Amino acid sequence: QKEVEQDPGPLSVPEGAIVSLNCTYSNSAFQYFMWYRQYSRKGPELLMYTYSSGNKEDGRFTAQVDKSSKYISLFIRDSQPSDSATYLCAMSVSRGNQFYFGTGTSLTVIP
Amino acid sequence: EADIYQTPRYLVIGTGKKITLECSQTMGHDKMYWYQQDPGMELHLIHYSYGVNSTEKGDLSSESTVSRIRTEHFPLTLESARPSHTSQYLCASNDSPGAGQGTDTQYFGPGTRLTVL
Repeated sequence: QKEVEQDPGPLSVPEGAIVSLNCTYSNSAFQYFMWYRQYSRKGPELLMYTYSSGNKEDGRFTAQVDKSSKYISLFIRDSQPSDSATYLCAMSVSRGNQFYFGTGTSLTVIP
Repeated sequence: EADIYQTPRYLVIGTGKKITLECSQTMGHDKMYWYQQDPGMELHLIHYSYGVNSTEKGDLSSESTVSRIRTEHFPLTLESARPSHTSQYLCASNDSPGAGQGTDTQYFGPGTRLTVL
């Protein structure tokens, strides 16, 4: 069983839509949760970082962690064509230790 | 923006050639990583280093080797390239977190797209 499961998509939405991206995981020891955005032919860049359970909001982006269900989500409000990218979730047990990544979800926002 | 660089960005090479993929970071990070990324697959850790003269193999079996002689430099070498090595190689780094400091998240380079014919 993979440590982290993520639906690869692809996901296609109209501009202005609310997007929900999700990951599930099997290791209950994960405490640090991240979302990365990767544009085509670029390396991943950090979008959101969350410790333990709860919500974190940054502009149009909200990261949600439910440790009881081993489920994390990234919500994008008022999606824009510039949000078109692959979104990867990542998690780790402790700070500075090995990261485990999902496969990434490909998102296209249509103008 | 992260200051982590990879060269070359693209490389097409014949089977049997020796190649070195370069990775440098100017952030003074202790920890550096090499990942392999294929379409639809999660990032696979192939090598990591927690400091100068420290290198370890990751989860994914790899025929590559790495060295860490300087903090800022973490090259990856394939002694004899094969078509199965065709992939995207991503280098990343992060600092060792102090208590209550920062996010310790990994910063990624732009990647090297390797094609072995």
